[in-house]
Amino acid sequence: DSGVTQTPKHLITATGQRVTLRCSPRSGDLSVYWYQQSLDQGLQFLIQYYNGEERAKGNILERFSAQQFPDLHSELNLSSLELGDSALYFCASSPWRTSGVDNEQFFGPGTRLTVL
Amino acid sequence: AQTVTQSQPEMSVQEAETVTLSCTYDTSESNYYLFWYKQPPSRQMILVIRQEAYKQQNATENRFSVNFQKAAKSFSLKISDSQLGDTAMYFCVKGAQKLVFGQGTRLTINP
Repeated sequence: DSGVTQTPKHLITATGQRVTLRCSPRSGDLSVYWYQQSLDQGLQFLIQYYNGEERAKGNILERFSAQQFPDLHSELNLSSLELGDSALYFCASSPWRTSGVDNEQFFGPGTRLTVL
Repeated sequence: AQTVTQSQPEMSVQEAETVTLSCTYDTSESNYYLFWYKQPPSRQMILVIRQEAYKQQNATENRFSVNFQKAAKSFSLKISDSQLGDTAMYFCVKGAQKLVFGQGTRLTINP
């Protein structure tokens, strides 16, 4: 158990819909990362938040957005869903500081999204 | 764009054998981290081993060790005395802030 929790574990929805994935980081970790794992694209970094602020952006679609709340949990919002958005979405957390390279990321169990 | 390449999509060995997974990467940075993560059938991502690019000494973690060749941008993983529980997808990963994953090597340990 990494200490990172994600809800829900599974989500089945229809095209055009909007869903919200939730992540609670390990106690003390200020940084949260979102990744997408799909058959087509493999594992891709989407976005990082640090203490409530966006820090880095990867291959995140405009239909997707995220935020990190004062209690440090994070939500990934996916809208206007398409069949190709079906994937396993991972959240990871780390204590990451602005200085230093050290960055071990601890992954949650993932949320499996199926778009029908 | 930074890339991480794993040239072996699948590998299969007998229990107790030694197996080496290959990885090459592309970077313009002088200081970075490299990782091997495993993803068993449960889908959980588990850190296996990490290497700091500024350290010349190869990292080891029990039965797992790496061969880090910085000039060649190569980072292979050796698993000694392989066990059935080592069966998983293994990802070579580069990064400090945002991780860049290779395509993965599906490793099967046969009894």
